[in-house]
This record gives sequence, C-alpha cells and structure tokens, in this order.
Amino acid sequence: QQQVKQSPQSLIVQKGGISIINCAYENTAFDYFPWYQQFPGKGPALLIAIRPDVSEKKEGRFTISFNKSAKQFSLHIMDSQPGDSATYFCAASIGKSGAQKLVFGQGTRLTINP
Amino acid sequence: NAGVMQNPRHLVRRRGQEARLRCSPMKGHSHVYWYRQLPEEGLKFMVYLQKENIIDESGMPKERFSAEFPKEGPSILRIQQVVRGDSAAYFCASSPQPGGTYEQYFGPGTRLTVT
Repeated sequence: QQQVKQSPQSLIVQKGGISIINCAYENTAFDYFPWYQQFPGKGPALLIAIRPDVSEKKEGRFTISFNKSAKQFSLHIMDSQPGDSATYFCAASIGKSGAQKLVFGQGTRLTINP
Repeated sequence: NAGVMQNPRHLVRRRGQEARLRCSPMKGHSHVYWYRQLPEEGLKFMVYLQKENIIDESGMPKERFSAEFPKEGPSILRIQQVVRGDSAAYFCASSPQPGGTYEQYFGPGTRLTVT
C-alpha cells in the first residue's frame, strides 16, 4: 500500500525527443506527488510537483500528467537534451498527518543521445 | 541562500566502529528528514525530526541507529557498530513546515563505506 512503482528502469531517448516516465501508486491517501532529478554523486533535486486536484502541471519543458482514477502519474520531458541525462525519481507523500515522509519509486536512468 | 548542508561527504568506517552523519537544514527550515539510498535503488525514508522531537521513526532499523535534532546545532544520524550492509548514501532533507508547502530540499548526501 505504501509502494510507488516506477517504470521504465532505464530509458534512452534521442536529442529533441519526448521522454516519458510512469509511476503508479495504491494508497489513495497520498496527496502530494513530486519528481526529483539526481545526477551521479549528487543529492536529489526537486523538479516539479503536483497535487491530486489538478490533472496536469507544466513547468518549462517538464510536464506532470496525473490520473487520479487510475492512480497513475507521469513525467514528460519535451525536447529532451543531453543535459537531462540523469536518474529521475517519482515520489508520493501524505501531508494531512503532518509527517511528510516521501515514498520514492525505484528510479529511471534516462540517457539522452546527442 | 545556503542549501541543506551535510558533512562529511564521504565517510569510511571499519566494521564495529561508529558513524556520525551531520545535517544542517536550510535557513528557516525546522523539519529534517533522513533517507538512505542503497546502490542502484531509490531512497528509503528513515526518520523525521523537528527541533528536539522525533516525529516519525518508522523507517529506522530497530537497533544501532539513532537520530537527534537538538535545539542548537545540526541534526545527527548515528550508526553504532557499523556493518557492511550499512554502506550506502545517506541523504538529509529539510522543509519549512508540514501541512503547507510540502517541498523537501535535499542535501548532497554522505556516502558511508564500511570496510
């Protein structure tokens, strides 16, 4: 119930293409869904986040699509660039209780070929 | 605007020694979270602390691990009698408060190697 399942495990996209990473969850109490980007040897950096009251959020080339009924959400990276090559993690948390521990997906290693 | 600071960045300990990992949250943040990342895996929640209080330690191993966030000074994650399986990257995150904006900002991590 506390799991967040992420796919694919790795992804190779050509420069200029669209990168799509998917996540699914079971616990309907989750109410906050962030995506983090992590470069080797660095800490995760918050990329974009969404609450379940909206179906889509866009920030620059990054878009989260959220499907509450299917309990799925995805990250789309438009016009993917070599600098986007990193590991991406989806996460979910329950904020109402006040303790916002994040439950992370397993990660997707994205490689953008020039 | 300094981000979340962690030290040391790399720590090598022999089996049986103690490891102390430090985390200073972002300015204005009073909530600290510790996560562990094993090689090629996602991050796993360990503990959530406010100043002088442990709020949620449901992810902490029952033995050898402890955490504190004193009134003054950084948060400390302490691992006693380390074993090889403790080798991992330990990340600290901070947030301004729960229930409002939920963003957690992560530090660069401490990479612990147990030999």
